[in-house]
Amino acid sequence: GAGVSQSPSNKVTEKGKDVELRCDPISGHTALYWYRQRLGQGLEFLIYFQGNSAPDKSGLPSDRFSAERTGESVSTLTIQRTQQEDSAVYLCASSLRGTGIGNTEAFFGQGTRLTVV
Amino acid sequence: QKEVEQNSGPLSVPEGAIASLNCTYSDRVSQSFFWYRQYSGKSPELIMSIYSNGDKEDGRFTAQLNKASQYVSLLIRDSQPSDSATYLCAVKNSGGYQKVTFGTGTKLQVIP
Repeated sequence: GAGVSQSPSNKVTEKGKDVELRCDPISGHTALYWYRQRLGQGLEFLIYFQGNSAPDKSGLPSDRFSAERTGESVSTLTIQRTQQEDSAVYLCASSLRGTGIGNTEAFFGQGTRLTVV
Repeated sequence: QKEVEQNSGPLSVPEGAIASLNCTYSDRVSQSFFWYRQYSGKSPELIMSIYSNGDKEDGRFTAQLNKASQYVSLLIRDSQPSDSATYLCAVKNSGGYQKVTFGTGTKLQVIP
């Protein structure tokens, strides 16, 4: 596809269940980001993948959160034992790596709205 | 100190006025700077990018970069109610990770 695709668009889950969110980046984009955005709040960085380098996991809020990416394609964000405070929109973005300037802006998917009841 | 800092607002301006949005960053050798607009309930979308010191104009939008002061701003001329949104500043870090870091955004309200 032409843009970043995320699925599902909406997810309602019961507290304590595990959820898996999927992101398909723009073809050829080596960089992939996951962000969390709570209602009325700013973007909260979760994790960053860059090609085959070790991911930057510094934003993951707890060990219940994990993410994987196979090569330079699809990524999944998994939240185990969901809690009500996990309710948020989870946004994925991708970009070209770019060793210099230019053409390195991040493009966002439409997000997955997660509601934990 | 946060890597990218913005005043959360809200910034209220009357229709037709100039809106000025500001951002400071901590990585002195950052090379690429971006402004995104996020409407309520929508994903952020890129509106401007700037790489060199000075001004860059695109329609009613002007991005200004001052690397010595580690400061980037966005001016919106002739503000319209449709410009009401949250504006996010983003900076691409130097070094191996080349990561784009976002500020938390400034909410702009244009009053008709």
